[in-house]
Amino acid sequence: SAVISQKPSRDICQRGTSLTIQCQVDSQVTMMFWYRQQPGQSLTLIATANQGSEATYESGFVIDKFPISRPNLTFSTLTVSNMSPEDSSIYLCSVEGGQNNEKLFFGSGTQLSVL
Amino acid sequence: DAKTTQPPSMDCAEGRAANLPCNHSTISGNEYVYWYRQIHSQGPQYIIHGLKNNETNEMASLIITEDRKSSTLILPHATLRDTAVYYCIATLYMLTFGGGTRLMVKP
Repeated sequence: SAVISQKPSRDICQRGTSLTIQCQVDSQVTMMFWYRQQPGQSLTLIATANQGSEATYESGFVIDKFPISRPNLTFSTLTVSNMSPEDSSIYLCSVEGGQNNEKLFFGSGTQLSVL
Repeated sequence: DAKTTQPPSMDCAEGRAANLPCNHSTISGNEYVYWYRQIHSQGPQYIIHGLKNNETNEMASLIITEDRKSSTLILPHATLRDTAVYYCIATLYMLTFGGGTRLMVKP
């Protein structure tokens, strides 16, 4: 199974600022996924990030608000831009794994609070 | 992904089997049934998946009905550490998480 490290694990930010979340995987993976989990809610997919190409965003999420980088096969960043209190959520990175890439492995998430 | 329906919450006594149901009546022929769980303050954890045959691994068993319209995740001997939100997902590829079932294992 893949080991995923996310940084920071939590942060408290001021309205209008930006936060970049890092996701490091211990093995090379083709696709990385970023999810958001709002308080008391289930997970929502933000975007899919492939190395060497622009991320693919789900409906309701845009690149200007959530720019993503994928410089290599083991690393990705998600930036939450111009934050507002509504962005307070847990942000999770995940990668495919298993014999046939049939499973998703998740990091422990970044708990973001925006004041 | 096909829509799934799960009870919002369930209780189970420690040491007993926990049987978590999931309805996926609109599942298509090539969509798999996945189960993940999320323990508080952690990322989701893969449990098991199957297409049409029953599956068992070290964590759980998955029973899929013959018509594939519903399934049951079985934790054979629930422990307090199994308290979590359990998500059933019917999907070909991308994982769309629904509301899940909050399982509370009680002493």
